[in-house]
Amino acid sequence: DSGVTQTPKHLITATGQRVTLRCSPRSGDLSVYWYQQSLDQGLQFLIQYYNGEERAKGNILERFSAQQFPDLHSELNLSSLELGDSALYFCASSVDPSESSSYEQYFGPGTRLTVT
Amino acid sequence: DAKTTQPNSMESNEEEPVHLPCNHSTISGTDYIHWYRQLPSQGPEYVIHGLTSNVNNRMASLAIAEDRKSSTLILHRATLRDAAVYYCILKTGANNLFFGTGTRLTVIP
Repeated sequence: DSGVTQTPKHLITATGQRVTLRCSPRSGDLSVYWYQQSLDQGLQFLIQYYNGEERAKGNILERFSAQQFPDLHSELNLSSLELGDSALYFCASSVDPSESSSYEQYFGPGTRLTVT
Repeated sequence: DAKTTQPNSMESNEEEPVHLPCNHSTISGTDYIHWYRQLPSQGPEYVIHGLTSNVNNRMASLAIAEDRKSSTLILHRATLRDAAVYYCILKTGANNLFFGTGTRLTVIP
C-alpha cells in the first residue's frame, strides 16, 4: 500500500460526458501528479501540482483540467469524453520540496475509465 | 527528455539473480537514474534510484557504469512476485516521470 488513494476504482460513462477523478496523496506529500496509461500510448505524464499550484504540464488535452485543494487532495476533470479517453488514470505523490530529481513518487492504484 | 533503451522482455528462473540493463548514452550530469516497476493490474512502484555511485536497498541494487551511459538493476533472487514491467527513467530538474516501454520480466517457477 503506497498511501496514495484514488476514487473511484472503476468508472463507466458515455461519450460527451464529464467525470471527476479524485486523489489523496500520502500524508506529508505536497506534490501530486496525474498520469494516463492506455494500451497504445503507454504511461504518459499529464500534469503536476505542488502545494495547490500547477507546476508542470505534460500531454494533457484541453478538455482535461486538474486542481489541488488546500487539504492537498487533487481532482482530475475530464470533459467531452471520447472513446479514446478510455484508460487507466494514475495519481502519484511525492515530498518534492524543490525541483530536485532525487525524490521518488508513490503511485495510487488507479482509476479505470471506460467510455462507451 | 533524455532517452533510455531497454530490452522489451527478459526471463529469469525463480530464486536466481536477474540483471536488467538500461542504456542512456545521452544522460546529462544532473540526471538521476530511477527505476520503477509495474506489477499486473497495479500502479507503478518505486524501486531504486541513483546518480553516480552504486546503490542498494531492500528491493534491489543499482549498478551505474563509470561513464553513466548505462546502468543495471539487479534483483538478487527473483521471486514470482517480481514478474512485472521494469522502467528505467532519467529524471532532470522537473520531477515528473517520462516512462518508456520498459522491460517485461517473466519469472519461471
